[in-house]
Amino acid sequence: EAEVAQSPRYKITEKSQAVAFWCDPISGHATLYWYRQILGQGPELLVQFQDESVVDDSQLPKDRFSAERLKGVDSTLKIQPAELGDSAMYLCASSRDRGKSGELFFGEGSRLTVL
Amino acid sequence: AQKVTQAQTEISVVEKEDVTLDCVYETRDTTYYLFWYKQPPSGELVFLIRRNSFDEQNEISGRYSWNFQKSTSSFNFTITASQVVDSAVYFCALTADTNAGKSTFGDGTTLTVKP
Repeated sequence: EAEVAQSPRYKITEKSQAVAFWCDPISGHATLYWYRQILGQGPELLVQFQDESVVDDSQLPKDRFSAERLKGVDSTLKIQPAELGDSAMYLCASSRDRGKSGELFFGEGSRLTVL
Repeated sequence: AQKVTQAQTEISVVEKEDVTLDCVYETRDTTYYLFWYKQPPSGELVFLIRRNSFDEQNEISGRYSWNFQKSTSSFNFTITASQVVDSAVYFCALTADTNAGKSTFGDGTTLTVKP
């Protein structure tokens, strides 16, 4: 069964360093999402792509976070510089529905610890 | 604005007991979709069910059942004859048509099923 691939699974970094997460959605899924999940809370949307275009990045802290999906397939989420409060699980999800409310398929996530 | 409330933070039951997870939502949209996801310890959220706002018919899938009531803005999830493998964090989520696929999640309910 096709899956959403994410890497790395775990990342430990010191504050002020740069970190990057990679996501490869299920083939053919046009919509890609990056969510942040703080321990004990539900996922919060950071950015949503439709193909290579950003649909929603209203919750993305743009002073330090950036995301791209250059060819409309895989995506990278970057944090520079990392802060202590960025420690969380970063989840990538994809959906086969274009802008519709279809179910999300999630990857296993990238757990970030900032020291 | 959308909001999803899962008032039960943690639930613990003994195997074979029935358990109901509560979900209350808020939205001004007339067309919206409700979801339940399961997050096992491995971290990957798994889709369980989607209901749209025009379909209040309850659904049963094996030991799982869902009760959607627009009058009380609730979408509750019942597991019948719970099993240890049901132990996980369960999230309720809401997506409105006007949000083009952006899901708002509750903070989750941690279910522990003891043998």
